[in-house]
Amino acid sequence: KTQVEQSPQSLVVRQGENCVLQCNYSVTPDNHLRWFKQDTGKGLVSLTVLVDQKDKTSNGRYSATLDKDAKHSTLHITATLLDDTATYICVVADRGSALGRLHFGAGTQLIVIP
Amino acid sequence: DMKVTQMPRYLIKRMGENVLLECGQDMSHETMYWYRQDPGLGLQLIYISYDVDSNSEGDIPKGYRVSRKKREHFSLILDSAKTNQTSVYFCASSSRDRDYEQYFGPGTRLTVL
Repeated sequence: KTQVEQSPQSLVVRQGENCVLQCNYSVTPDNHLRWFKQDTGKGLVSLTVLVDQKDKTSNGRYSATLDKDAKHSTLHITATLLDDTATYICVVADRGSALGRLHFGAGTQLIVIP
Repeated sequence: DMKVTQMPRYLIKRMGENVLLECGQDMSHETMYWYRQDPGLGLQLIYISYDVDSNSEGDIPKGYRVSRKKREHFSLILDSAKTNQTSVYFCASSSRDRDYEQYFGPGTRLTVL
């Protein structure tokens, strides 16, 4: 059973618009949550990590929230650029399992059009 | 410059052939990982290596084996590749005390015909 669900599956926005990506998970006990950006044909690049029970982070045009009670995270991208076209992957660390075990969402494919 | 490298980047093999995927890292990380990524699915863990000659199965180890003879290198081996092993394979590494911070390679796209 998938333990990390992302929505929407894909999203098309116009350059300059804002967008919000969602991540719901059932991983228990959960540790931290990280958002990655994956350009087509490339590896995963970390955007931000959220650690606290209710956490907020900001990294330029990217901002994220985490609510561990709701097991829910959002990634906000403001004033999108064409280079934001990519797949965004939500990853939850499993605090109860062996070292280094992560649970990956399938990703949201974001397409930014002119 | 912290880096995880993978070779080759693209590979086409016939069913039944052996496959060797190589991964290197320059951060002296103890822990290394092999994942595969398929459309519509999250990355799935194949194997973890906690250090030289200290390897453990991940969630989908069947059909794969690994080798770690040096801390900076981690190999994934497919003996007699199958068509359902067509996928994109990612290697990652992390330090033992910051295992949640994994650095990923660029991936190897393997096609088994």
